[in-house]
Amino acid sequence: ETGVTQSPTHLIKTRGQQVTLRCSSQSGHNTVSWYQQALGQGPQFIFQYYREEENGRGNFPPRFSGLQFPNYSSELNVNALELDDSALYLCASSFPTGRSGANVLTFGAGSRLTVL
Amino acid sequence: AQTVTQSQPEMSVQEAETVTLSCTYDTSENNYYLFWYKQPPSRQMILVIRQEAYKQQNATENRFSVNFQKAAKSFSLKISDSQLGDTAMYFCAFMVETSGSRLTFGEGTQLTVNP
Repeated sequence: ETGVTQSPTHLIKTRGQQVTLRCSSQSGHNTVSWYQQALGQGPQFIFQYYREEENGRGNFPPRFSGLQFPNYSSELNVNALELDDSALYLCASSFPTGRSGANVLTFGAGSRLTVL
Repeated sequence: AQTVTQSQPEMSVQEAETVTLSCTYDTSENNYYLFWYKQPPSRQMILVIRQEAYKQQNATENRFSVNFQKAAKSFSLKISDSQLGDTAMYFCAFMVETSGSRLTFGEGTQLTVNP
């Protein structure tokens, strides 16, 4: 069983540019969520996708957007990059299990974005 | 809204000893889950242990156990027989049962295990 893979691992952009981060979910998982982790802080929930539709969003502006594809892989797009967008972006996949068990998330190793 | 607080930014322990990491949370929800995740320098978040709020029995996973006090909204992690490989950032996290995959994380505790 493959885990969650993210690409690229590191990238550098300048203010105002756009970036796309990619995530392949773990086999059998149909839900993908994205988190932003600023340096020295805990991850913050951006949004989640279930069956190709956004299904929950955190306190992030509309310039953060995403997609989920039929194979459950996902993209995170950020437009008009700002310096504060510099962070580690984590993708996690899961399969809803209902009350019989918590939705256990499997995380990728993240994409480190630096905005100059 | 849910909040998770970890009041210990850094902790250290000698190899083979026991250490306890603290976590408190605030919520008006009744059905939720609590987690401890470990993030080593490799950056990948790894699940250590989870607890369902409706279960009174504290979760245990090998050397890791929790002390879940629902009324006090406290969820501490005890690591027994600490190993060098336990050195990592530890995050306490909260999930409402109906939220899908939305985790609320604390700020983390950097644990260092010394030889």
